[in-house]
Amino acid sequence: DAGVIQSPRHEVTEMGQEVTLRCKPISGHDYLFWYRQTMMRGLELLIYFNNNVPIDDSGMPEDRFSAKMPNASFSTLKIQPSEPRDSAVYFCASSPGLGTQYFGPGTRLTVL
Amino acid sequence: AQRVTQPEKLLSVFKGAPVELKCNYSYSGSPELFWYVQYSRQRLQLLLRHISRESIKGFTADLNKGETSFHLKKPFAQEEDSAMYYCALSGLGTYKYIFGTGTRLKVLA
Repeated sequence: DAGVIQSPRHEVTEMGQEVTLRCKPISGHDYLFWYRQTMMRGLELLIYFNNNVPIDDSGMPEDRFSAKMPNASFSTLKIQPSEPRDSAVYFCASSPGLGTQYFGPGTRLTVL
Repeated sequence: AQRVTQPEKLLSVFKGAPVELKCNYSYSGSPELFWYVQYSRQRLQLLLRHISRESIKGFTADLNKGETSFHLKKPFAQEEDSAMYYCALSGLGTYKYIFGTGTRLKVLA
């Protein structure tokens, strides 16, 4: 198993552009999590899904951020429009249940 | 407020010296505590969790509910322990993790 897969690994875009980050969880994992990592705030949970349904999106910073999980093997995190303060590393993680989460390699987003 | 605090951004120790990475938490309820580690160019991965009470790679951590702490300890540091360490908590029976800001451990030869 390749583990959690994220794409792209690096994204550089200009302010105002739409950005879409993608995640493929580990097969059989019912939970999927999106995190944002910054120097100032560390690792913050943005949203998580259970069986493709969003359960808690209280960490989503503002309406410019949206996340979807159309099926058990794919999720997207979209930022529209992007701003320089959105620059961060975005992690996706999946879990079979309570306890351990398995993280992807992350997407480093730079918004100019 | 629910919070995980790791007071040290960077901790440097010499090889063979004892290591203690501090973690304090604030949570209204019964939390489950974890330590995650990220080695250079690798993914963030679970190191240990308080429920399992294991020792992984020589590291241990004891949950002290009185002091609301979950410090990570190792008696003799090795160079390969150099990494970023994150303390995290979740409420028992919940899936919402709260992470600390992390401590970078450097073990010097």
